[in-house]
Amino acid sequence: AQKITQTQPGMFVQEKEAVTLDCTYDTSDQSYGLFWYKQPSSGEMIFLIYQGSYDEQNATEGRYSLNFQKARKSANLVISASQLGDSAMYFCAMRDENRDDKIIFGKGTRLHILP
Amino acid sequence: KAGVTQTPRYLIKTRGQQVTLSCSPISGHRSVSWYQQTPGQGLQFLFEYFSETQRNKGNFPGRFSGRQFSNSRSEMNVSTLELGDSALYLCASDTGGGLGIHEQYFGPGTRLTVT
Repeated sequence: AQKITQTQPGMFVQEKEAVTLDCTYDTSDQSYGLFWYKQPSSGEMIFLIYQGSYDEQNATEGRYSLNFQKARKSANLVISASQLGDSAMYFCAMRDENRDDKIIFGKGTRLHILP
Repeated sequence: KAGVTQTPRYLIKTRGQQVTLSCSPISGHRSVSWYQQTPGQGLQFLFEYFSETQRNKGNFPGRFSGRQFSNSRSEMNVSTLELGDSALYLCASDTGGGLGIHEQYFGPGTRLTVT
């Protein structure tokens, strides 16, 4: 069965520092996608970044990058130069290419950026 | 392009009543998924609809049902409400078909409170 694990329930980071949010996954599928979402206190889930299992390069989107280590089954999110507005809940998610399985989410990491 | 919209945004119901929530996907998106989010259980997948057909279903009782219309708009219904149904209900849409893995875009959610 597919599973997403986020081991950091909460993190405190000083503004302007880089932060890494951990995500490990388990799947028997050969082709799958990994996602990160941000959920501010307003509740809306905001799509941040996507990594395909066959992508050789790590995905990047502005200040967000995904450190994808396929052999270790990890897909950590790196936020460079953190800002106060980055304070939110962050979810790692996965779905397989065949769409046979639903998209599954980790429990999330609450990130607090300190001024 | 307009985002995913959900109505209503907030709802208060009494135990035993039923409720219908609505979701309008991004124009051109044919897949709509529903999630329940609670502090204790996190994000749980309810069901996914594609071209008016339920494609995937989560582990929820039959009191939770949904449908999708020809214009891709979707509704979910919860009958005989219980206190434990109090949650944020999120709807997400994606293109739903073709090759590749597609990220989902979420609506702002409907906050349901059952008293």
